[in-house]
Amino acid sequence: NAGVTQTPKFQVLKTGQSMTLQCAQDMNHNSMYWYRQDPGMGLRLIYYSASEGTTDKGEVPNGYNVSRLNKREFSLRLESAAPSQTSVYFCASILWGANEQFFGPGTRLTVL
Amino acid sequence: AQTVTQSQPEMSVQEAETVTLSCTYDTSESDYYLFWYKQPPSRQMILVIRQEAYKQQNATENRFSVNFQKAAKSFSLKISDSQLGDAAMYFCDYWSGGGGAQKLVFGQGTRLTINP
Repeated sequence: NAGVTQTPKFQVLKTGQSMTLQCAQDMNHNSMYWYRQDPGMGLRLIYYSASEGTTDKGEVPNGYNVSRLNKREFSLRLESAAPSQTSVYFCASILWGANEQFFGPGTRLTVL
Repeated sequence: AQTVTQSQPEMSVQEAETVTLSCTYDTSESDYYLFWYKQPPSRQMILVIRQEAYKQQNATENRFSVNFQKAAKSFSLKISDSQLGDAAMYFCDYWSGGGGAQKLVFGQGTRLTINP
C-alpha cells in the first residue's frame, strides 16, 4: 500500500493562476480531508468528504473548491490563487471504525 | 462548535526526564475520538496515541501515555524517558467519528524541545 499520496510536492504560482492539488489513498478509506498549515500554526480544515459523493466545508473554505472523484481520490482546486494561500497543504483519510487518520506528505505551495 | 486548545506553545525537557503536554477541548457530544500527533521538521504527521471517549482506561503506547479526563474535557500527553528524537511539534486532535457530519479539529500545537 502506498498510503496517502499527494501531488505535486512543491508548487509556485503567480497571483491569479489556478491549479489543482491531487490526493489519492489506496486503503479503501471512507473519509478524506484537506488541511492547510501556515508557518508556526496548527492544521486548519479546508474541506472534507465524509464519504464518496459528499463534500462539506471546513473552517477555511473560501477560495477553494473540492471534488471527490471516487472513493480513492479527493482533489483541491484553487481557481484564482492569492498570496494568502501560501501554505503547506495536507490531505488525510480515515477508515470508519479504525479511527486513525493517515496523512499525505504535504504540498508546499507558494503564491507570488 | 468543537474547539481544541493547547495552552503551551513551547515546552522543553531534559533528556531522559518526563514531560506532560496539555490539551483541553469543548464538545457537547458523548462519543468521539482524541489523538496526539507528532510533526518533526520533515512535516510528516505521525500518530503518537489515540483515545476513544467511551473507554475509561487511559491509552498507552510504550513511553507515551495519556491522562484522559472526560468530565473535565482534558487530554494530556505524558512522555516518559524523553529522547532527542521526541523533539517536534505535537498536535492534539478531536474527531467526532465516522458517518454523517464529521467534526475534526486540531489544537494550535506545542513545540517540544529536548535538552541533552
